[in-house]
Amino acid sequence: QVQVVESGGGEVQPGGSLRLSCAASGFPFSDYGMHWVRQAPGKGLEWIGVVWHDDHRKAYADSVKGRFTISRDNSKNMMYLQLDSLRAEDTAVYYCTRGGFGPESYYIGDYWGQGTLVTVYS
Amino acid sequence: QSVLTQPPSVSAAPGQKVTISCSGSSFNIGNDYVSWFQQVPGTAPRLLIYRNNKRPSGIPDRFSASKSGTSATLGITGLQTGDEADYYCGTWDISLSVVVFGGGTRLTVL
Repeated sequence: QVQVVESGGGEVQPGGSLRLSCAASGFPFSDYGMHWVRQAPGKGLEWIGVVWHDDHRKAYADSVKGRFTISRDNSKNMMYLQLDSLRAEDTAVYYCTRGGFGPESYYIGDYWGQGTLVTVYS
Repeated sequence: QSVLTQPPSVSAAPGQKVTISCSGSSFNIGNDYVSWFQQVPGTAPRLLIYRNNKRPSGIPDRFSASKSGTSATLGITGLQTGDEADYYCGTWDISLSVVVFGGGTRLTVL
């Protein structure tokens, strides 16, 4: 069955960095876009970004552009989120979610992981 | 301030019906498919509806949705206490080139 599992969350000081991982299984990974979505404590869902199925295109929310980088390794069925220059407002649960098929990679969210918590504290 | 507008909360009695609206623009809802997600507090979101009105396998037909112009609506019939959750609409915004979500609607089953 389709599964996506996040890992790598933790506590970090402002200005620090963290790398999140998303392990996918149960589907042809290289055929699907992959997204990151976060949720700050007590807040709604906030989309972070997407990487297209073939890794040829990425898109980011303005709030993280230039600080966060999405990458994927289709040979390992893995997606990553590099978080740099972290701020207190980046504290959230970060979810990995499968996107659409092929050119429709930008469609979001048919399978979600359980999330990994990132806490930025001073 | 979310790009898509949802009511903060709705409520209804068990067995009743409720609708949740999602309002956007010609750049998002008016241009592409809408998805709906359910999030029970403390758990990950779950896809309820995709491509405006399609239900994934395992989602009961008590859940339905529609889209008209730049607005979308989620309907839930035969409300159960287990339906208490936050509901989000989402779609792609072609002008911003980002995924946009509504702010979420908290459903209370009285």
